[in-house]
Amino acid sequence: GQNIDQPTEMTATEGAIVQINCTYQTSGFNGLFWYQQHAGEAPTFLSYNVLDGLEEKGRFSSFLSRSKGYSYLLLKELQMKDSASYLCAVMDSNYQLIWGAGTKLIIKP
Amino acid sequence: GAVVSQHPSRVICKSGTSVKIECRSLDFQATTMFWYRQFPKKSLMLMATSNEGSKATYEQGVEKDKFLINHASLTLSTLTVTSAHPEDSSFYICSARSPQAENTEAFFGQGTRLTVV
Repeated sequence: GQNIDQPTEMTATEGAIVQINCTYQTSGFNGLFWYQQHAGEAPTFLSYNVLDGLEEKGRFSSFLSRSKGYSYLLLKELQMKDSASYLCAVMDSNYQLIWGAGTKLIIKP
Repeated sequence: GAVVSQHPSRVICKSGTSVKIECRSLDFQATTMFWYRQFPKKSLMLMATSNEGSKATYEQGVEKDKFLINHASLTLSTLTVTSAHPEDSSFYICSARSPQAENTEAFFGQGTRLTVV
């Protein structure tokens, strides 16, 4: 079956760095996405990785290792507004998005 | 970026009535739209894939007669929750992808908070 695993909840301190991991097992692979979702709102796109390596975009970076079925989202210089759920999603061979359950990130002052 | 508009954002309805939710792609033609349901503190659950001009493809366990999907044009898909019950209360979200490239980000509507009383 298809499976996406990510931690349920993480806590970090304002100004610090946090890494959210995602492992996956899917039928085929056409890219991995990270989305941010604030409570009561729809997800917003953060990043897309299809090749191995690190993609940096401002305070956020995303890493992918296809051989390991592994990705992480790295958030630097954490701000209180970064408190949200972070969803990992993999596009399978049918171009369907398979969603992880999301990681709730709590930022403390 | 592309914009997907979903309406209404919130709706409260009486048990037994039907509710229609609209999803529009504003600046691109979406041959395929997706409808998700999200329970509190849970991830997105794909309900169905809406294909323009043809019948929607429903995921296992989703009642097609209860959740009617119509994708009559390249920019509009609707989800109708028929004979709503309190257990249908949830956050419903639509998304669409640009047909130019299949492996692109999904653009989400704002979501609809449905409360059935």
